[in-house]
Amino acid sequence: ILNVEQSPQSLHVQEGDSTNFTCSFPSSNFYALHWYRWETAKSPEALFVMTLNGDEKKKGRISATLNTKEGYSYLYIKGSQPEDSATYLCALAGGGADGLTFGKGTHLIIQP
Amino acid sequence: DVKVTQSSRYLVKRTGEKVFLECVQDMDHENMFWYRQDPGLGLRLIYFSYDVKMKEKGDIPEGYSVSREKKERFSLILESASTNQTSMYLCASSYKALMMNTEAFFGQGTRLTVV
Repeated sequence: ILNVEQSPQSLHVQEGDSTNFTCSFPSSNFYALHWYRWETAKSPEALFVMTLNGDEKKKGRISATLNTKEGYSYLYIKGSQPEDSATYLCALAGGGADGLTFGKGTHLIIQP
Repeated sequence: DVKVTQSSRYLVKRTGEKVFLECVQDMDHENMFWYRQDPGLGLRLIYFSYDVKMKEKGDIPEGYSVSREKKERFSLILESASTNQTSMYLCASSYKALMMNTEAFFGQGTRLTVV
């Protein structure tokens, strides 16, 4: 079983501030790294799927970077808004048709 | 929009009952997955299927079985429900293998309580 670690476990951020959190994973046998946002009472939704070392992806105020050689990815949120409050999940895709191995998530609360 | 629909949001069952959790996706996806979410733990893979009638064990298959008779439907079966199977169950689907730069689409989850 692959080990995917996320930190911090939870985070309180003032509205308007920027923030970031980390996902660490074993660098060997890497295929793809996924980020999902899971809002309360909703389904998890994909933010990014990243496969290449050095990849940077952006969606509005949210961006992510990937370092497959050292085994980490950062998720950045610029100018946090209340609607950013959610649990952010990082997951590693293994080889074949296997499912994803998830970290425990970072629970983000934006305080007005 | 891709839709993954789980048959129930909340379910309460008695210990020893046979329980069926149903999941349907409407985008002709090859791959379907069942996960469970417990406090303090990440989503854990129970079973997955990459084709009709095909199934593979995930990380925690004990106490569960699955059925995929049609491409759009993937059922999770608890043969004899136990209290340690009280959890949030999430179904997901994907067009291609998740290693291939493709995302998973999730259902809204079923919160199962076994009493």
